[in-house]
Amino acid sequence: QKEVEQNSGPLSVPEGAIASLNCTYSDRGSQSFFWYRQYSGKSPELIMFIYSNGDKEDGRFTAQLNKASQYVSLLIRDSQPSDSATYLCAVAEGFKTIFGAGTRLFVKA
Amino acid sequence: DAEITQSPRHKITETGRQVTLACHQTWNHNNMFWYRQDLGHGLRLIHYSYGVQDTNKGEVSDGYSVSRSNTEDLPLTLESAASSQTSVYFCASSESIQETQYFGPGTRLLVL
Repeated sequence: QKEVEQNSGPLSVPEGAIASLNCTYSDRGSQSFFWYRQYSGKSPELIMFIYSNGDKEDGRFTAQLNKASQYVSLLIRDSQPSDSATYLCAVAEGFKTIFGAGTRLFVKA
Repeated sequence: DAEITQSPRHKITETGRQVTLACHQTWNHNNMFWYRQDLGHGLRLIHYSYGVQDTNKGEVSDGYSVSRSNTEDLPLTLESAASSQTSVYFCASSESIQETQYFGPGTRLLVL
């Protein structure tokens, strides 16, 4: 069983719609949760991090964490073609961070 | 501005050769990491370091080594390159263990 699981996609949404990206993790002791965006041929860059249960909003992005269900999600409102990328979920477990394989998102103009 | 750089950005080598990939950060972060990224596997941890003279093996460390002689640099060495080590390699650093990691631009390595 993978420690951090994401649907590989591709997830395709029309411009202006809400994109919902999901991630589950196996270690109940995980403390910190991150969403990175990676454009093709580029390195990952942080979008958001979340430590506590509930929602955290930053502009068009909302991260949601449910530790009881071991589930973290990223919502992108008013999706733009420039949001087309691979989104990596990362979970800090003890002394290391585990990355999911990523979900590819396509936003159609 | 602080940054993290990698060199070379692209490398072609032959099976059996020793290869060293450089990583240099000016964030003054104690924690540094090396990952490889392959289709379908995401980022997999090769080695990591929590400070000078500290190195630790990650999940895919066989055939790789690192050394940490100062805060800024963590070079990754492939002792005897194999075709299975063809990949994109990312170096990253962070201020503390469970905080954001900042990634370098990556090195594309092709082993023929």
